[in-house]
Amino acid sequence: GAGVSQSPRYKVAKRGQDVALRCDPISGHVSLFWYQQALGQGPEFLTYFQNEAQLDKSGLPSDRFFAERPEGSVSTLKIQRTQQEDSAVYLCASSHHRVTAEAFFGQGTRLTVV
Amino acid sequence: GQQVMQIPQYQHVQEGEDFTTYCNSSTTLSNIQWYKQRPGGHPVFLIQLVKSGEVKKQKRLTFQFGEAKKNSSLHITATQTTDVGTYFCAEEYGNKLVFGAGTILRVKS
Repeated sequence: GAGVSQSPRYKVAKRGQDVALRCDPISGHVSLFWYQQALGQGPEFLTYFQNEAQLDKSGLPSDRFFAERPEGSVSTLKIQRTQQEDSAVYLCASSHHRVTAEAFFGQGTRLTVV
Repeated sequence: GQQVMQIPQYQHVQEGEDFTTYCNSSTTLSNIQWYKQRPGGHPVFLIQLVKSGEVKKQKRLTFQFGEAKKNSSLHITATQTTDVGTYFCAEEYGNKLVFGAGTILRVKS
């Protein structure tokens, strides 16, 4: 596709449920990022992949959050035992080379934990 | 950690008026990026500034990077309703972009 694609667009999870969020980056983009955006706030960094290598996961808020990009393209962000404070929009972004290149964001997945 | 402060938090202008948002850092920035997020949308890259004192223009938008590379601004001349959204600055810090909290722009027609 022409842009970064995320699915699902919306997810409602019961507290304690596990969720998996998918990101299809732009083809050929080396760098992939996950961000969390709470209502009225700027995106906050979660994790960064360069190809299949997860080079930075310093932003993951707890060990309930796990991300992978096994073949260097599609990435999945998994949240185990969801809690209400996990409710947010999860944005995926990709860029052609390094961090400082233009980042292309997907539409995001809005997660609501009830 | 690194943090960029954006002001104002919110601005409501009459269509045709100018608008400016400011981004400030306590440390020297390697570069600064600006993004626009429409209501319900996702951040869209506008520009990257790298050089001290750099000024770039995109139609009615003017971006500046301070001489000390500690601040940046985005100025919109003669706002239009299509300018509505949240404008974020973001700095590169390690392997990530650190975003400011954004300035929400509303335009009254």
